[in-house]
Amino acid sequence: EDQVTQSPEALRLQEGESSSLNCSYTVSGLRGLFWYRQDPGKGPEFLFTLYSAGEEKEKERLKATLTKKESFLHITAPKPEDSATYLCAVQPNDYKLSFGAGTTVTVRA
Amino acid sequence: DSGVTQTPKHLITATGQRVTLRCSPRSGDLSVYWYQQSLDQGLQFLIQYYNGEERAKGNILERFSAQQFPDLHSELNLSSLELGDSALYFCASSVGGAVGDTQYFGPGTRLTVL
Repeated sequence: EDQVTQSPEALRLQEGESSSLNCSYTVSGLRGLFWYRQDPGKGPEFLFTLYSAGEEKEKERLKATLTKKESFLHITAPKPEDSATYLCAVQPNDYKLSFGAGTTVTVRA
Repeated sequence: DSGVTQTPKHLITATGQRVTLRCSPRSGDLSVYWYQQSLDQGLQFLIQYYNGEERAKGNILERFSAQQFPDLHSELNLSSLELGDSALYFCASSVGGAVGDTQYFGPGTRLTVL
């Protein structure tokens, strides 16, 4: 069965304090790994798609990387507006996304 | 704004009732997905439609059903509602039906069953 584990569950950062979120996965035949950001009561907002080990994607203060067993989301010099829950999802050889439980990031000014 | 719209935003109903949630995908997207998000279960895939046909099924209860219409909007029907069905229901869409397509999520419908 596909498994996605995100750590830590919660992360409290000071503004400007860089950190990384981890997403480890077990899946048969990874077709894509996705990162989403979700604000309370809102729908997940797409951030990145990674397809193969070694791939990296960047957007503003966020950078996602992928290995054969895990993905990292690096947040560089975060700002309070980066506070959200970050969700990782994997798509194996079928059409459904399997989501992790998420990491809730709080950035204090 | 992802371009995916969902109505209604909020729905409050009683146990045993039936409700219909509606989703309009992004312009040009052919696939629609439904997800349920509850506090204890996280985001769970329910079902996918591609161009009007069911393509994949996840953890969808028999009391739930969905369809996608010729104009590509989709409806999720929930019947014989139970307290445990209270959750956020999200619709997502993607351009095609290919595995690996990015899914864009709507704002969700919050269902409360009393």
